[in-house]
Amino acid sequence: KQEVTQIPAALSVPEGENLVLNCSFTDSAIYNLQWFRQDPGKGLTSLLLIQSSQREQTSGRLNASLDKSSGRSTLYIAASQPGDSATYLCAVNGSSNTGKLIFGQGTTLQVKP
Amino acid sequence: EAGVAQSPRYKIIEKRQSVAFWCNPISGHATLYWYQQILGQGPKLLIQFQNNGVVDDSQLPKDRFSAERLKGVDSTLKIQPAKLEDSAVYLCASTQERGYEQYFGPGTRLTVT
Repeated sequence: KQEVTQIPAALSVPEGENLVLNCSFTDSAIYNLQWFRQDPGKGLTSLLLIQSSQREQTSGRLNASLDKSSGRSTLYIAASQPGDSATYLCAVNGSSNTGKLIFGQGTTLQVKP
Repeated sequence: EAGVAQSPRYKIIEKRQSVAFWCNPISGHATLYWYQQILGQGPKLLIQFQNNGVVDDSQLPKDRFSAERLKGVDSTLKIQPAKLEDSAVYLCASTQERGYEQYFGPGTRLTVT
């Protein structure tokens, strides 16, 4: 049974810092992995989707990497801003590509001005 | 392009009452998902539709929850009777095809008292 873990549960950094959010999964047989952002009281916004054959994806100040063999993904945020404060969730889609996403618990990020 | 729409945004009911949520996916998206997100946790899949057929409802508490997707477009999720532990945010998501990026609606926050 696939399990997804995100550590730490919460993170507070000063503005301008580069930071890394971690995601680990127990079953390396995945189809793809997706990173989301969730603002308080809101739905999820898709940030990046990495296919199992890819090593990384970039969008602006965000870079997501995937190491399938070790069951890990990281989300790198460069030059953090107060507007980046939110909860970040990773989710995996299994190798059979049912589309069912298994989510981690999320990391709540606070960027202080 | 319009996003995933959900209503109502908030609902407060007493236990043993019934409630229904509505979702309108992005136009042309064949696959629709309902997720339950309990406070402090990642979303958990309740049911997945492909057009108007059910693909996965293995985690849907079928004694009290039901869902339908008429004509392969809009979907409704119903709870009858509600329990205290059903208090959560109910998220609807859609995607063009399984394995593609999932797009989420704003969610419905349900409080059962």
